[in-house]
Amino acid sequence: DAGVIQSPRHEVTEMGQEVTLRCKPISGHNSLFWYRQTMMRGLELLIYFNNNVPIDDSGMPEDRFSAKMPNASFSTLKIQPSEPRDSAVYFCASSPGTSNEQFFGPGTRLTVL
Amino acid sequence: AQSVTQLGSHVSVSEGALVLLRCNYSSSVPPYLFWYVQYPNQGLQLLLKYTSAATLVKGINGFEAEFKKSETSFHLTKPSAHMSDAAEYFCAVMNRDDKIIFGKGTRLHILP
Repeated sequence: DAGVIQSPRHEVTEMGQEVTLRCKPISGHNSLFWYRQTMMRGLELLIYFNNNVPIDDSGMPEDRFSAKMPNASFSTLKIQPSEPRDSAVYFCASSPGTSNEQFFGPGTRLTVL
Repeated sequence: AQSVTQLGSHVSVSEGALVLLRCNYSSSVPPYLFWYVQYPNQGLQLLLKYTSAATLVKGINGFEAEFKKSETSFHLTKPSAHMSDAAEYFCAVMNRDDKIIFGKGTRLHILP
């Protein structure tokens, strides 16, 4: 199994630009999670999906952030417009179901100048 | 709400010495508990998990953790540290709604 795949691995952009992060979960997993990791705030859950449906987006910091899961094998996290304080490592994780561990992707390191 | 507290944001041990990373949880019901490890520039990797079976849980790379309900603890140990164990370690608890709540992490340094 290829594991959770994220792209791009690194993204450098300028303030005000739109950023789209992509995730392919492990085949057969029905839960998908987006996290943000910074030195100051640690690991924060942004949103998670179950069977492609957003279940809890209470961690999404503001309206500039949006996430979609159009099918079981693909999800996106979009920031529009981006700001320097959005600089962080963004992780996607998937899980096979209830009471199971999450499997993390390698992350996307986002730098907003 | 469930939560975890990791004592010590940085821990240093000598190579070959015992590793002990502390984690306490708060939960009103028997929890699912996890330890994850993060190596530099990588995602989190599961070390071990407790799901109400045996209280002593063995994981990868020689790590183990013991669930102690009376102390609400789930400390991570390894008898003999290796240089390759240098990483950040996260304790986590799972809510009933399938959300995992992570601690703030403990960075483990191995001294030669």
